[in-house]
Amino acid sequence: GAGVSQSPSNKVTEKGKDVELRCDPISGHTALYWYRQSLGQGLEFLIYFQGNSAPDKSGLPSDRFSAERTGGSVSTLTIQRTQQEDSAVYLCASSGRGDQPQHFGDGTRLSIL
Amino acid sequence: AQRVTQPEKLLSVFKGAPVELKCNYSYSGSPELFWYVQYSRQRLQLLLRHISRESIKGFTADLNKGETSFHLKKPFAQEEDSAMYYCALGAGAGGTSYGKLTFGQGTILTVHP
Repeated sequence: GAGVSQSPSNKVTEKGKDVELRCDPISGHTALYWYRQSLGQGLEFLIYFQGNSAPDKSGLPSDRFSAERTGGSVSTLTIQRTQQEDSAVYLCASSGRGDQPQHFGDGTRLSIL
Repeated sequence: AQRVTQPEKLLSVFKGAPVELKCNYSYSGSPELFWYVQYSRQRLQLLLRHISRESIKGFTADLNKGETSFHLKKPFAQEEDSAMYYCALGAGAGGTSYGKLTFGQGTILTVHP
């Protein structure tokens, strides 16, 4: 497809488990962003990639969160030892350059039991 | 620090009435402002970008640096405008800045028939 693709669309897991969320950006987009959308917190920036490098990880809430990007394309956000407060919709966006408008995926709805 | 404030969580108007969604920002650099919209069961999508100075779906927004505002306006609201609207601030244009976005809390607009 032509848009940003995220998988899975929904993920339910038990507290303490690790989860991996995947983002496939628009082909050719060099910039990739992860955001989190939760009740009461709105949309929060997590991490930004330019190519495979992450010059800004300032939004990652704790060291349980990490992300990587390979081949300048697909990115994976990993949450270790999940907690209930991690429940949210995790959104991925990509843009052609850092100053171009961002295009968002449908998100992954993560529920921690 | 960057901050975006959308003072109205909910806004209701009748079809054909004018609508204004308020957005104020705080940023010491050169701001880049956006309006994103999320219709029911759809992904977040770009509505307007201040540098484009265009009208999309009848909506306009003017950047007022003196009042640090970027209010979204439409003279005659339509039922299909019902959605969640987010105002967002980019890290600034030029130099090595990039498109990390800081979002407001969002305003749910309901247009009644």
